[in-house]
Amino acid sequence: DAGVIQSPRHEVTEMGQEVTLRCKPISGHNSLFWYRQTMMRGLELLIYFNNNVPIDDSGMPEDRFSAKMPNASFSTLKIQPSEPRDSAVYFCASSRDGNSPLHFGNGTRLTVT
Amino acid sequence: SQKIEQNSEALNIQEGKTATLTCNYTNYSPAYLQWYRQDPGRGPVFLLLIRENEKEKRKERLKVTFDTTLKQSLFHITASQPADSATYLCALENSGYALNFGKGTSLLVTP
Repeated sequence: DAGVIQSPRHEVTEMGQEVTLRCKPISGHNSLFWYRQTMMRGLELLIYFNNNVPIDDSGMPEDRFSAKMPNASFSTLKIQPSEPRDSAVYFCASSRDGNSPLHFGNGTRLTVT
Repeated sequence: SQKIEQNSEALNIQEGKTATLTCNYTNYSPAYLQWYRQDPGRGPVFLLLIRENEKEKRKERLKVTFDTTLKQSLFHITASQPADSATYLCALENSGYALNFGKGTSLLVTP
């Protein structure tokens, strides 16, 4: 079991650029979550997918953020245009179902200058 | 508003002692509570889950208690080791699927 795989591990970009973060969940897991972690706010839930369908995106900060899950083995989180305040570590997590423990990837550290 | 509070100050203890971490919450009625460990540069790793009808859960050197009246969970590591040094996060169930996390407490175990 390779675990949840995220790419890239680090991303440095300039303000205004588009950023795409990628996630491959654990095979057989039907729930996928995107979280953002900062020192100030801790881990914040951005969006939750169940069976590839977005169920709750109330945590997505603005229209600049969008997430997709075209199939059970791939999800993306896109920020367009990026801003310095988007700098954070973005985690993807999957679980067997919405009530099971989460398996996290090792995150993407995003720096927007 | 909903709050999950964990001690923001790092906990320093000597190897072999018991570490006790606290998680307090307000305006939640969680069906379950989970504890995770996070090492620098890594994602959180699940440790234990305790349900609202359970008072205590154990796994090897770990013990979790859950008091829904006090709205508090305690996380204990007995016979602590330097390898236990990490940040520990509590997480509460919300809305049936979402997990809301505390900011975590950093534990440092010194030889």
